[in-house]
Amino acid sequence: KNEVEQSPQNLTAQEGEFITINCSYSVGISALHWLQQHPGGGIVSLFMLSSGKKKHGRLIATINIQEKHSSLHITASHPRDSAVYICAAVDSNYQLIWGAGTKLIIKP
Amino acid sequence: NAGVTQTPKFRVLKTGQSMTLLCAQDMNHEYMYWYRQDPGMGLRLIHYSVGEGTTAKGEVPDGYNVSRLKKQNFLLGLESAAPSQTSVYFCATRDSGRGLRVFGPGTRLTVL
Repeated sequence: KNEVEQSPQNLTAQEGEFITINCSYSVGISALHWLQQHPGGGIVSLFMLSSGKKKHGRLIATINIQEKHSSLHITASHPRDSAVYICAAVDSNYQLIWGAGTKLIIKP
Repeated sequence: NAGVTQTPKFRVLKTGQSMTLLCAQDMNHEYMYWYRQDPGMGLRLIHYSVGEGTTAKGEVPDGYNVSRLKKQNFLLGLESAAPSQTSVYFCATRDSGRGLRVFGPGTRLTVL
């Protein structure tokens, strides 16, 4: 069993839909990252959070430490949001334990 | 600010050749990391550095060496390239707090 699990693996939605990507972890962590990787492109850190909720534009990330669960939400999704979204847990040595990623496709 | 830059962006090597990948940052971050990303797999940590003059092994260090002689630069060396080292290599940095990692654009390496 992977220490960090994401769901779904793949997600296709229509433009404008509300998107939720989930991340569960089984290890003790100090924080959790959400990252975005565009096809053939680089990696962008979206959020790092250790409690509660963070918002940036149309992106919202939440974490529940007790339940060891985090979610990434995208409101009013747009085709340019199409990318792989990755959650990564930060362990006690500040190393990242990577999830497998969720491939999101937003159709116009 | 350029953030994190990687040189070169692309490279093709023959088996047995050597090369060095350069990661440079202008954010004065203490921590620097080298990852590799293979198709269908997540990033795997090769080596990292917690400050100038320090290096440490990550998850997959074999076949690679690193140096951090200057705080702003982190070099990844392949002494004798092998086809198994064909990958996309990402450098990342982090400040000394629990800050976000900043990633470079990646280097696509093919070993024939």
